[in-house]
Amino acid sequence: LAKTTQPISMDSYEGQEVNITCSHNNIATNDYITWYQQFPSQGPRFIIQGYKTKVTNEVASLFIPADRKSSTLSLPRVSLSDTAVYYCLVDFSGAGSYQLTFGKGTKLSVIP
Amino acid sequence: ETGVTQTPRHLVMGMTNKKSLKCEQHLGHNAMYWYKQSAKKPLELMFVYSLEERVENNSVPSRFSPECPNSSHLFLHLHTLQPEDSALYLCASSQERGQRYEQYFGPGTRLTVT
Repeated sequence: LAKTTQPISMDSYEGQEVNITCSHNNIATNDYITWYQQFPSQGPRFIIQGYKTKVTNEVASLFIPADRKSSTLSLPRVSLSDTAVYYCLVDFSGAGSYQLTFGKGTKLSVIP
Repeated sequence: ETGVTQTPRHLVMGMTNKKSLKCEQHLGHNAMYWYKQSAKKPLELMFVYSLEERVENNSVPSRFSPECPNSSHLFLHLHTLQPEDSALYLCASSQERGQRYEQYFGPGTRLTVT
C-alpha cells in the first residue's frame, strides 16, 4: 500500500528554521505534493503545494529533489503559533484509483 | 472561517442510535469529502463526492452512509456504531476532485459512541 513517511515529532526554538521531510517512494508521475497544517480541534489548513524543484510562498518553502521520492517543508523563523501537526499529502492515483493519503503527520513544538 | 461548516460540533450517541452529521460549503466547490481522524490513526479518507456523485468509498463499514443531495451539502448518516467509531469527523471541499486542488476543511464533529 502506497504511503508517506514523516518524523513523528520535532522540537524547535523560536526564530529557528524548521525542515520537515516526507518520504513518498511510490509517487506517480502526475502526482503533486501538498502540505497541510492542523491546530488542535481544527480541520487541516493548506500550506503549500509543489511538483518539482522549489516552491515558495509567504508562509513556507517546499523543496523536491529530482527523483521526487521525498520532499522537505521549510518554515523560516518559526514562532510559538507555528506549533501544530504538519501533514504531507500525495495523491497516489497513479494506479488508476483516487487514493488521497495523508501521512501520520509531524507534531512540531516550538519552544520559547 | 474556511467557508465549510459542520453540525453538530459534538455528538454523543449510544450504539443503537441513529444520527446524522451535516456539512455545508459556501465556496461553490464541486467536490466534497468525509474524513475520519482518531487518536491512533492518521487522517482517513472515507468518501469522496464529485458533482453529487460518489466517486470513492474506501472500504468504510456500511454503518456509515453518506448522502450528497446537492453540491453544497453533504451528510453522514450513522447507525449501530461501535465504540471504536469515536473520532473527529471532518468534512472538506475543493474546487474539483483531486489532490491538485486545495481542500478546505470544516471544524469537525467530535463523535463519542457509548
